[in-house]
Amino acid sequence: QVQLVESGGGVVQPGRSLRLSCAASGFTFSSYGMQWVRQAPGKGLEWVTVISYDGSNKYYADSVKGRFTISRDNSKNTLYLQMNSLRAEDTAVYYCAKDAETFVTGTACDYWGQGTLVTVPS
Amino acid sequence: EIVLTQSPDFQSVTPKEKVTITCRASQSIGSSLHWYQQKPDQSPKLLIKYASQSFSGVPSRFSGSGSGTDFTLTINSLEVEDAATYYCHQSSSLPFTFGPGTKVDIK
Repeated sequence: QVQLVESGGGVVQPGRSLRLSCAASGFTFSSYGMQWVRQAPGKGLEWVTVISYDGSNKYYADSVKGRFTISRDNSKNTLYLQMNSLRAEDTAVYYCAKDAETFVTGTACDYWGQGTLVTVPS
Repeated sequence: EIVLTQSPDFQSVTPKEKVTITCRASQSIGSSLHWYQQKPDQSPKLLIKYASQSFSGVPSRFSGSGSGTDFTLTINSLEVEDAATYYCHQSSSLPFTFGPGTKVDIK
């Protein structure tokens, strides 16, 4: 069965960096694009970034462009989100999610991890 | 950026009632519209992809329709376990976006 397990969240001071990881299993990781979606406390879902199946294409929301970097290691079945210059408004639960279609970048998200909380105090 | 608006924001419904949630896009997105259910303290779950394709394992009372700018999620004969917030999501145009959500409560 598909499993996505995020890790790396925590409390980080404004301006500092954090790297999230998402360990994937139960499917052919290297065939699917992957996405990060975040949810601020008590708020709705916000799309953050997507990466193609082979890592060659990456796209970002304007709110994180230039500060966040998505990457993947297909040999380790792991997705990453490097977050730099963190701000209070980045406080959220960060979910990794799997694209529903193979070899297409950015589709419906058919499986989601349990999320990891990132807190940036104001 | 494509803006998705949902209506209603909140709906209180009795079991076995039919629920209709709409999602409107600020420009045409074809059929690249997906629906998710999120219960409190849980991750979102995919219900419908590409406007009308039911995801594997989703109860048949959930259905989707629409194309272009107007989309609908229908829950036929609501069950108590369907109490949740429902989100639409477009993957037609970058940046991808989500609707603000519709909270469905059980009376």
